[in-house]
Amino acid sequence: RKEVEQDPGPFNVPEGATVAFNCTYSNSASQSFFWYRQDCRKEPKLLMSVYSSGNEDGRFTAQLNRASQYISLLIRDSKLSDSATYLCVATLNGQNFVFGPGTRLSVLP
Amino acid sequence: EAGVAQSPRYKIIEKRQSVAFWCNPISGHATLYWYQQILGQGPKLLIQFQNNGVVDDSQLPKDRFSAERLKGVDSTLKIQPAKLEDSAVYLCASSLERVAGREQYFGPGTRLTVT
Repeated sequence: RKEVEQDPGPFNVPEGATVAFNCTYSNSASQSFFWYRQDCRKEPKLLMSVYSSGNEDGRFTAQLNRASQYISLLIRDSKLSDSATYLCVATLNGQNFVFGPGTRLSVLP
Repeated sequence: EAGVAQSPRYKIIEKRQSVAFWCNPISGHATLYWYQQILGQGPKLLIQFQNNGVVDDSQLPKDRFSAERLKGVDSTLKIQPAKLEDSAVYLCASSLERVAGREQYFGPGTRLTVT
């Protein structure tokens, strides 16, 4: 079983739609979680950290469910520019960073 | 602020040859990471440095891969000898310190093709 799993997609959604991605992790000791965004043939960039109480940044909302060992990312009012691969990351003690395989999103006009 | 610099950007070598990649992290960033990203997969951590000490190299194939970070700044990653399955993008990242929640800043990567 992979340490961090994601549905690879692709998720094809129309502009303005709401889309949600889930990510599961196997190491129950993982402490910190992040969502990174990676555009085609570019490097990953931090989208947002995931806090235990859940957090929101504009159109993006991240949630953590420790009991079920999954994190989620919700994107509201999708824009064409949101098209990218979304990578979730779990880490322990500031090390052992494990990236998921990524979920590909295509927002269609 | 200058970002993470990597060179070369592209490299094509034959199997069994050697190759080295260079990374210059953001100034003042104590933690440096090397990742391998195979097409269609997420980045896989190879090695993590805190200043010039190794924090985590559990997934580094030590029979062929080596890395060093002299003086706690620049770093080099070497593969010797290369195999076909080493074809990937090698990403270097840095963060201010080894603290949970610290953002990692990635360089543009080196795309390696082994023929």
